[in-house]
Amino acid sequence: QEQLQESGPGLVKPSQTLSLTCTVSGDSFSNGRFYWSWIRQPAGKGLEWIGRVYASGRTSGSTDYNPSLKSRVSMSTDRSKRQFSLRLTSVTAADTAVYFCARTGGYSFGGPVSYYFDLWGRGTQVTVSS
Amino acid sequence: QPVLTQPPSVSASRGASVTLACTLSSGYNNYRVDWYRQRPGEGPRFVMRVGTGGIVGPKGDGIPDRFSVLGSGLNRSLTIENIQEEDEGDYHCGADVGSGTNFVFGGGTKLTVL
Repeated sequence: QEQLQESGPGLVKPSQTLSLTCTVSGDSFSNGRFYWSWIRQPAGKGLEWIGRVYASGRTSGSTDYNPSLKSRVSMSTDRSKRQFSLRLTSVTAADTAVYFCARTGGYSFGGPVSYYFDLWGRGTQVTVSS
Repeated sequence: QPVLTQPPSVSASRGASVTLACTLSSGYNNYRVDWYRQRPGEGPRFVMRVGTGGIVGPKGDGIPDRFSVLGSGLNRSLTIENIQEEDEGDYHCGADVGSGTNFVFGGGTKLTVL
């Protein structure tokens, strides 16, 4: 069964860069049907979509980011390792959260294609503190 | 883009039914909403999508028939019948607001099974 697993430092100092990697076990990573997203959840709060990256074909590496985070976020892929990564620069305490990676599928269901998160990792806690 | 509003918490007795609300902000009554269940210590899991006509597409893997949705006006609710202890957790509603280029979520509802 396909799984996603987040990895990376659990503690980052303020003003530094948060870096996380998601490893995909399964064959869908380079399947053109899917994008790959990062989503976070601060303690006691709702989910926040950070952005997505594409890992297939000529447009591999193309990205879309949450406008509120766009100036600090970058994402990339490593198809040979079935991994995609998140970098978030200039972090503050407000970036403390559980970070999830998620497979993002596009589906029509009889109307325009729209996307949802059909497979998630278990999440990894990242704390920003000196 | 729409704002999704959820009550922070709901409780229900084992074997009862409960409806979890997700309300779209005014003017966005055509949006479809996705429901996700998050058990303690786990990542969220897709439950199903709901539009004004009810469920859109298939349920997520392993979601039992006890789960159903209803869409009317600005409301996109999830109903769980015959609640079990395994249903306890956080329930999130979310929406694709940019054809895959932007997404929003509600604040989540914590469901406690008594």
